[in-house]
Amino acid sequence: DQQVKQNSPSLSVQEGRISILNCDYTNSMFDYFLWYKKYPAEGPTFLISISSIKDKNEDGRFTVFLNKSAKHLSLHIVPSQPGDSAVYFCAASSIQGAQKLVFGQGTRLTINP
Amino acid sequence: DAGITQSPRHKVTETGTPVTLRCHQTENHRYMYWYRQDPGHGLRLIHYSYGVKDTDKGEVSDGYSVSRSKTEDFLLTLESATSSQTSVYFCAISGGWGSSYGYTFGSGTRLTVV
Repeated sequence: DQQVKQNSPSLSVQEGRISILNCDYTNSMFDYFLWYKKYPAEGPTFLISISSIKDKNEDGRFTVFLNKSAKHLSLHIVPSQPGDSAVYFCAASSIQGAQKLVFGQGTRLTINP
Repeated sequence: DAGITQSPRHKVTETGTPVTLRCHQTENHRYMYWYRQDPGHGLRLIHYSYGVKDTDKGEVSDGYSVSRSKTEDFLLTLESATSSQTSVYFCAISGGWGSSYGYTFGSGTRLTVV
């Protein structure tokens, strides 16, 4: 049972435009959400996070939106740059317990010049 | 990434042989995790540790065992490697949610079982 789902395996966006990556979750106990970025042959690196007490968190070009009623979060990248081409993983956890992260399948983002 | 290293980076092994992957951290973090990455599945938790000698199973633990005899080292052992265990394995560490950064990942070990 996939508790965190990224339904788009890939996304292609033109440089300078907005990239929107989506993520859905099913476990209502999740209260902390993160996005990770992964380049080939490297480990994932932390990008941005949001707790369930917020509905938006912004860090430079990256904004994460959380819709708890729909169990949906999205990552917006504006403007998109060639260096943003990578695989993006959505992850969720409950702050209680052993702090295990549950990851989605990932979305491969390609930024075209 | 600085503070966490995985070894080896690449390994090819034969079906039925035991294999041990090592994760070493210099951050003194309490939590350590082993994940595997496979196409279409993202990252799936194999085992994790919440302290020395304290470990527990993740969602895909069958065929794997772990040990943590000291804070800095977390070993993942494939008791008898199978082709279905061909994957990229990532170790991660966490100091807790106070940092808000979640996990720090190692660079991964690409394991091929032939």
